[in-house]
Amino acid sequence: DTAVSQTPKYLVTQMGNDKSIKCEQNLGHDTMYWYKQDSKKFLKIMFSYNNKELIINETVPNRFSPKSPDKAHLNLHINSLELGDSAVYFCASSQTYRGDSPLHFGNGTRLTVT
Amino acid sequence: GENVEQHPSTLSVQEGDSAVIKCTYSDSASNYFPWYKQELGKGPQLIIDIRSNVGEKKDQRIAVTLNKTAKHFSLHITETQPEDSAVYFCATLIDSGYALNFGKGTSLLVTP
Repeated sequence: DTAVSQTPKYLVTQMGNDKSIKCEQNLGHDTMYWYKQDSKKFLKIMFSYNNKELIINETVPNRFSPKSPDKAHLNLHINSLELGDSAVYFCASSQTYRGDSPLHFGNGTRLTVT
Repeated sequence: GENVEQHPSTLSVQEGDSAVIKCTYSDSASNYFPWYKQELGKGPQLIIDIRSNVGEKKDQRIAVTLNKTAKHFSLHITETQPEDSAVYFCATLIDSGYALNFGKGTSLLVTP
């Protein structure tokens, strides 16, 4: 029943490890996003995909690699995790790739790197 | 797009009072101004938005006003209730127009 679902909800890992976060939407939307929210609640766009095609890559380190196997899924793989990667990562979807198309967010994945 | 300043960062009001949060943007070409509400442990949720051809929009207890000349827009919540307590974000479009650039958020606390 959940519109945008992310797994896992919490992720605790050590520096240098590689981890993945998965996202699925059942709204039939064409576009999906990853946003990062830091400890001060600042919310910043990382990536967006429209129908499996990369639209936005906002100066994110190469250690972050999004993958969209189909338009209902957008996963985020992070290599060589660093302390500064600790944050809440939000997946979102919208009906179209236009920025004025309302965003539907998941409930976030809290990543803690120790 | 880019550069949206949001004030205040925290706001505490008593139940029944009004709350106003203001955002200032730099790009005069900006034409879409949404407000999102984030409750604890959840993702942000769109509560109201306005486009540049409209000066004000209302939805029950919430309203958004836009002053294009001064390049600012504000969220107004009347008759606040404890369930209005949350973090509120304003946003504008990034330069490409394909995503949102969020303000730094306002933590609103409504005390009974």
